[in-house]
Amino acid sequence: QKEVEQNSGPLSVPEGAIASLNCTYSDRGSQSFFWYRQYSGKSPELIMFIYSNGDKEDGRFTAQLNKASQYVSLLIRDSQPSDSATYLCAVNYTGFQKLVFGTGTRLLVSP
Amino acid sequence: DVKVTQSSRYLVKRTGEKVFLECVQDMDHENMFWYRQDPGLGLRLIYFSYDVKMKEKGDIPEGYSVSREKKERFSLILESASTNQTSMYLCASSQAREQYFGPGTRLTVT
Repeated sequence: QKEVEQNSGPLSVPEGAIASLNCTYSDRGSQSFFWYRQYSGKSPELIMFIYSNGDKEDGRFTAQLNKASQYVSLLIRDSQPSDSATYLCAVNYTGFQKLVFGTGTRLLVSP
Repeated sequence: DVKVTQSSRYLVKRTGEKVFLECVQDMDHENMFWYRQDPGLGLRLIYFSYDVKMKEKGDIPEGYSVSREKKERFSLILESASTNQTSMYLCASSQAREQYFGPGTRLTVT
C-alpha cells in the first residue's frame, strides 16, 4: 500500500514568518512530488512540483526533496493571511500516471 | 493555461436516480481522472482514463461507471445514487505527471 503522510494541523504562523509543511511517503519507487493548495470549498491548485533531490524555488515557495529519507517539504517565506489554506502533498510512482495524495495540512496565517 | 470545466458546481439528486457528471478539458491531455473528496479521507481516486474509450478502476469504483467517447470529455455516472455518495467530486487531467483540477461538483443525494 503506497501511502503519503501529512500532519493535519492546523499549523499556525504569524504573518511574515516562514511556514514549513512536511510530507513523508512510503515507497522508494516514488518519482515525482507535487504540492497543491486548496482553499475551503475550492478545488486543489498545483503550486509546485519537484523531481530531483534538493531544493526548488518559485517566488516565496521552496520545495525540498530528500529521497533517501523519503521526505518532501514546502517552505512558504513571508507568509500572508491569503496563504491560509490546506496544502496537499501528492506523489507519483514509477510507471503510473496516478497520484497518491496525503490528507493535507491546514495552514493558518494570522495578521 | 490549462482549463478543466465541470458541468455543475452544485447538484441535488434523489436516492436511486441516475446521475451524470461531466468534465471537459481544453489542453488535449491524454489522461483524465475522477476523484471524490470527503472530510478526513482526502482525495480518493474513483476511475481514470489514459485514452479515448479506455478506463481503469481507481481505489473506490463501486457504484460508479465512466465514459470517455472523446478525448476532451470524461463522464462519471452514478448508476443509482445513494446517500453515501454525497461528496465533492473533482475531475482532473494531465499530459505528463502533474494533474490539473476542475472546480468540482458538490453533489448531495437525499
